Amino acid sequence: EVQVVESGGDLVKPGGSLRLSCAVSGIPFSDAWMSWVRQAPGKGLEWVGRIKSKVAGGPVDYSAPVKGRFTITRDDSKNTLYLQMNSLKSEDTGVYFCKWETSPFYGLDVWGQGTTVTVSS
Amino acid sequence: QSALTQPPSASGSLGQSVTISCTGTSSDIGGYNYVSWYQQHPGKAPKVLIYEVTKRPSGVPDRFAGSRSGNTASLTVSGLQAEDETYYYCSSYAGSNNLVFGGGTKLTVL
Repeated sequence: EVQVVESGGDLVKPGGSLRLSCAVSGIPFSDAWMSWVRQAPGKGLEWVGRIKSKVAGGPVDYSAPVKGRFTITRDDSKNTLYLQMNSLKSEDTGVYFCKWETSPFYGLDVWGQGTTVTVSS
Repeated sequence: QSALTQPPSASGSLGQSVTISCTGTSSDIGGYNYVSWYQQHPGKAPKVLIYEVTKRPSGVPDRFAGSRSGNTASLTVSGLQAEDETYYYCSSYAGSNNLVFGGGTKLTVL
């Protein structure tokens, strides 16, 4: 069974930084394409970005609101995905989900339970 | 990319059917066979109900069905049950490795 577990959510001040982690088990993580999706309080889902497997290569893709501030990386030796968030704004507040993509074009996927980020002074 | 358009709410009676729409453009829904539908209970992670427009993952009841006409995708829930009352989101591949979601629909079972 595939398991996806996020961690690292916290309360951070505007302008601050935070790194989220996503531990994956049950699949060969090095072959996995992984995405981050967030959800502001009481709002809908918003795609943040995606990293391909090292074999597939290519740049990491980001949504416009986070490009240049957020960085997605992976450590295949630890079966872990990361989301480094810098220059945080109040509008970055929400639950951040990590998900395993079974298709390069998105579709059948497995989500973690999410971790909460609050940006507030 | 702009978000896909879903009605904020939908409703249907127990045992009846309801259809939720998701409207995009030829650059997303109309351009690719990669539309998904998710069910999300409050405080929980989304769960995929439909992927690649019409496919159902193992374990999802056949009461849930996906379809598409032009730039609009639809999710039909048949034989409505009380536990179907929650939030539903559509998503679509939007080209250039991007993904776009709908704003979500709250389904009420009467």
